[in-house]
Amino acid sequence: DSGVTQTPKHLITATGQRVTLRCSPRSGDLSVYWYQQSLDQGLQFLIQYYNGEERAKGNILERFSAQQFPDLHSELNLSSLELGDSALYFCASQESPGANVLTFGAGSRLTVL
Amino acid sequence: KNEVEQSPQNLTAQEGEFITINCSYSVGISALHWLQQHPGGGIVSLFMLSSGKKKHGRLIATINIQEKHSSLHITASHPRDSAVYICAVLNSGGSNYKLTFGKGTLLTVNP
Repeated sequence: DSGVTQTPKHLITATGQRVTLRCSPRSGDLSVYWYQQSLDQGLQFLIQYYNGEERAKGNILERFSAQQFPDLHSELNLSSLELGDSALYFCASQESPGANVLTFGAGSRLTVL
Repeated sequence: KNEVEQSPQNLTAQEGEFITINCSYSVGISALHWLQQHPGGGIVSLFMLSSGKKKHGRLIATINIQEKHSSLHITASHPRDSAVYICAVLNSGGSNYKLTFGKGTLLTVNP
């Protein structure tokens, strides 16, 4: 167990639906990152939060949104789902941006049918 | 052309062999991560480097900032080292921690 908890582990849904992925960072970590891993694109950075505030955005679609709550857990919301959104979504956390230790969760596997 | 290029894409070795995986990048960076991903998906950060060399057990990572190149070495390889190894670079500093990833190197170590 890495200390970063992601739920659900697996999710199967239909096109057009909306899902929420949840991440609880390692205790003491204030930074949370979301990444998408698909077969054709590999790993891609989506978005970064630090202590509740958005700090950086990557290739995140407008249909996707995220937030980090006061208890530091984060949620990634994916809406109007398309087949191409099927991927592994990873959350990672750090004590602060640039800290030595970057810890990944086990990932949430999303399948859109 | 990707900002981060890894070679080789696939590598098969016999147990005990010395392994080298290379990563080249085209932009200035402030740090570089080597990640390990086993079948089944979990990702572990092995090293974060901004200069020089780091060693952990049988793993050694080096970086040459001037040449924009990093290598991951595995000594006395073992079947449990079989995994995808991913290089990721950080090309911005401060509180903006946006990683750009290579496509990964699939390592298979046969007994």
